[in-house]
Amino acid sequence: GAVVSQHPSRVICKSGTSVKIECRSLDFQATTMFWYRQFPKQSLMLMATSNEGSKATYEQGVEKDKFLINHASLTLSTLTVTSAHPEDSSFYICSALLSGRWETQYFGPGTRLLVL
Amino acid sequence: SQQGEEDPQALSIQEGENATMNCSYKTSINNLQWYRQNSGRGLVHLILIRSNEREKHSGRLRVTLDTSKKSSSLLITASRAADTASYFCATVFYGNNRLAFGKGNQVVVIP
Repeated sequence: GAVVSQHPSRVICKSGTSVKIECRSLDFQATTMFWYRQFPKQSLMLMATSNEGSKATYEQGVEKDKFLINHASLTLSTLTVTSAHPEDSSFYICSALLSGRWETQYFGPGTRLLVL
Repeated sequence: SQQGEEDPQALSIQEGENATMNCSYKTSINNLQWYRQNSGRGLVHLILIRSNEREKHSGRLRVTLDTSKKSSSLLITASRAADTASYFCATVFYGNNRLAFGKGNQVVVIP
């Protein structure tokens, strides 16, 4: 149980385009999901906390107009990288909290974004 | 800010040997967690140790927590080639559910 999926697994896009990444909790409800970014050989950096039915909370230094987050249901959160540029190329990982259990986050497999 | 911070290490060991990695943090925590990440993949939760616990075991994993030194260690005993991965510690502070990840340890187990 507690499986989280991400789609797409990898995407290549041209500079200036927008890319949407989906994060789904497949067999549980998640009122809270998190979005992380990971550059090569580096650790995960929390970008934002996504709460179902409310606005996301962004970490300091993360542009909310650049990284749009929508958490429209208890099983789906989306991250849209708007007007992507090569420096946005990274590995984006989401995680989800099982509703009622706050200690353990279940991670998705990640999405590799390459902006040309 | 980064709280869970382990010395970024690259460990290369022979299969069957033990692998130890450390993690330090700066402020009081509610719990500390260890994760494994295979290359290009998501994270797998390994073990959680609460601030009032000192040691925890899970299979071949042994985690210790020293809150006075604000440090934790992860020991993998009798390592296997399949243990080759990056290992991250992450801390959770009181009052929130966000994870602060450390820099990670790259472990290579040579068959």
